[in-house]
Amino acid sequence: GDSVTQMEGPVTLSEEAFLTINCTYTATGYPSLFWYVQYPGEGLQLLLKATKADDKGSNKGFEATYRKETTSFHLEKGSVQVSDSAVYFCALSVGGGFKTIFGAGTRLFVKA
Amino acid sequence: EAQVTQNPRYLITVTGKKLTVTCSQNMNHEYMSWYRQDPGLGLRQIYYSMNVEVTDKGDVPEGYKVSRKEKRNFPLILESPSPNQTSLYFCASSPKWDADTGELFFGEGSRLTVL
Repeated sequence: GDSVTQMEGPVTLSEEAFLTINCTYTATGYPSLFWYVQYPGEGLQLLLKATKADDKGSNKGFEATYRKETTSFHLEKGSVQVSDSAVYFCALSVGGGFKTIFGAGTRLFVKA
Repeated sequence: EAQVTQNPRYLITVTGKKLTVTCSQNMNHEYMSWYRQDPGLGLRQIYYSMNVEVTDKGDVPEGYKVSRKEKRNFPLILESPSPNQTSLYFCASSPKWDADTGELFFGEGSRLTVL
């Protein structure tokens, strides 16, 4: 079945460091791909998305490119801030599935 | 303010005592869904609803019921809770099901503990 695999955390970085969180997927159709972020005590909110191969989603300095050949959608940010500390979820959706499928989440800690 | 509201936010209960977690959205969304979040497993879909009176099972429906009598409300019912239903529950909604746009709007979560 369709699934998402993302790197285990936690990831601990110093402020202004470069961030990469790896995400790979398995899907029978042509999925749309998403990154959601969950701040402490809150629900998930959409960070960025890409709906077809080679699309790049971007928001708040974060970027991810839909790579069909490697079935990947890695999240990157050039310079993280303490306020980026959160749990990040990679996700996919396929039209006939009527659901969004989430990875296990990666917790990010950013130290001042 | 556009939002998805869940209640209660926190609940400790005992095995077998029926409970309902309410979910209400004020965005006139057609699609609503319940997820549970467990460490190391991410979010797993329990039930979803494409519109009023249209509901279907997700990946982990056992032990849960839902109803969709009104567009704005989508309660999650645990008829006889068991300890393995201890989890963090999220309700989410979307204008309609569309895999391409796929943005879900989440509530703040309901942490349930079953003793």
